[in-house]
Amino acid sequence: SQTIHQWPATLVQPVGSPLSLECTVEGTSNPNLYWYRQAAGRGLQLLFYSVGIGQISSEVPQNLSASRPQDRQFILSSKKLLLSDSGFYLCAWRDRENSPLHFGNGTRLTVT
Amino acid sequence: AQSVTQLDSHVSVSEGTPVLLRCNYSSSYSPSLFWYVQHPNKGLQLLLKYTSAATLVKGINGFEAEFKKSETSFHLTKPSAHMSDAAEYFCVVSDQGGSYIPTFGRGTSLIVHP
Repeated sequence: SQTIHQWPATLVQPVGSPLSLECTVEGTSNPNLYWYRQAAGRGLQLLFYSVGIGQISSEVPQNLSASRPQDRQFILSSKKLLLSDSGFYLCAWRDRENSPLHFGNGTRLTVT
Repeated sequence: AQSVTQLDSHVSVSEGTPVLLRCNYSSSYSPSLFWYVQHPNKGLQLLLKYTSAATLVKGINGFEAEFKKSETSFHLTKPSAHMSDAAEYFCVVSDQGGSYIPTFGRGTSLIVHP
């Protein structure tokens, strides 16, 4: 069966520090991968998605970037964190267009 | 462009009473619709999905939803609420006009009183 791993679960970082969040999927090949951010009390904002290795689409221009160095690995990065980057970050995958998304357990990022 | 509106930000029910979470959608194509549940500090879990088959969709944990094209609605229901149902619920629409990128509603917080 397929599983998705996302880490770390929680992270506290100072303003101006770098960020790297990692997500991996097991049990499937060539998944579509997604990064979402959820601010407190709000819905989900799509940040990036990828339909293949090296293919990244950005939905919202901001302080973050994403990379997909391997088929089942999706990384969210920042060179310098801002206070506004605080939030709950969720990675998700699906095996084809229009199939349901499957989510990781999320990373709670607090920028201080 | 596709869109989804969850009509209530909070719904409060007593344990054992019915649950109704309302969702309206907008789509120029044949949409796929989903309901997800999120417990605090957790990822989202799929409750059920509609993808142009039967209009009444049954999901996990006793939830079901009915696709009504004439009303552009996809409301989530459960006959009897349980304390463990207290969570955030998201309605999601996806269609070819949006390149099948899912669009999420803002969520409905379900509160269950003992």
